[in-house]
Amino acid sequence: GESVGLHLPTLSVQEGDNSIINCAYSNSASDYFIWYKQESGKGPQFIIDIRSNMDKRQGQRVTVLLNKTVKHLSLQIAATQPGDSAVYFCAENGPSGTYKYIFGTGTRLKVLA
Amino acid sequence: ETGVTQTPRHLVMGMTNKKSLKCEQHLGHNAMYWYKQSAKKPLELMFVYNFKEQTENNSVPSRFSPECPNSSHLFLHLHTLQPEDSALYLCASSLGTSDTGELFFGEGSRLTVL
Repeated sequence: GESVGLHLPTLSVQEGDNSIINCAYSNSASDYFIWYKQESGKGPQFIIDIRSNMDKRQGQRVTVLLNKTVKHLSLQIAATQPGDSAVYFCAENGPSGTYKYIFGTGTRLKVLA
Repeated sequence: ETGVTQTPRHLVMGMTNKKSLKCEQHLGHNAMYWYKQSAKKPLELMFVYNFKEQTENNSVPSRFSPECPNSSHLFLHLHTLQPEDSALYLCASSLGTSDTGELFFGEGSRLTVL
């Protein structure tokens, strides 16, 4: 079945450095992808999204890259801050094409002072 | 503040108890969702409501009973739960279900079944 996987369950990054969180997706029909951030004790918070007609999208300190050839998604966080410590999920819209998002298990980002 | 409010934030119940989780959204959305989040597992979609009508039941056991009296409120009634039902239950809302777009999540209700 379809799955969304993450290469690293935990990523430790020095404060001020850039972070890169990777995600592999398996459903070639997916055309919409989202990154969520979940802090301890809180619900997932939307970070950025991207549609399959784009390769790159930038937000405030974050960039999402989409490589459809290898079905790979990445989230880049510039100048990582302590407040960035959280679990990050990627999600794809899957074969339904709509709201039935398929979520990954998440990568924990730890920012070292 | 995400615009989606869930109560209670924490709930401990016995296997024979009956309790309810409540979700309210102040975003004017038409679709509301219940998700289950267990440790080291992806978010699992449980139920979807669109304009108060249930459009999705993802093979959820009948001991979980959702209710959506209007587009702003969503409940999850719990009875005769099992310890493996212990998890974080997340409510979410979106503009609708006919297209992709951001899901707005609440903070979740942490459920422990003894």
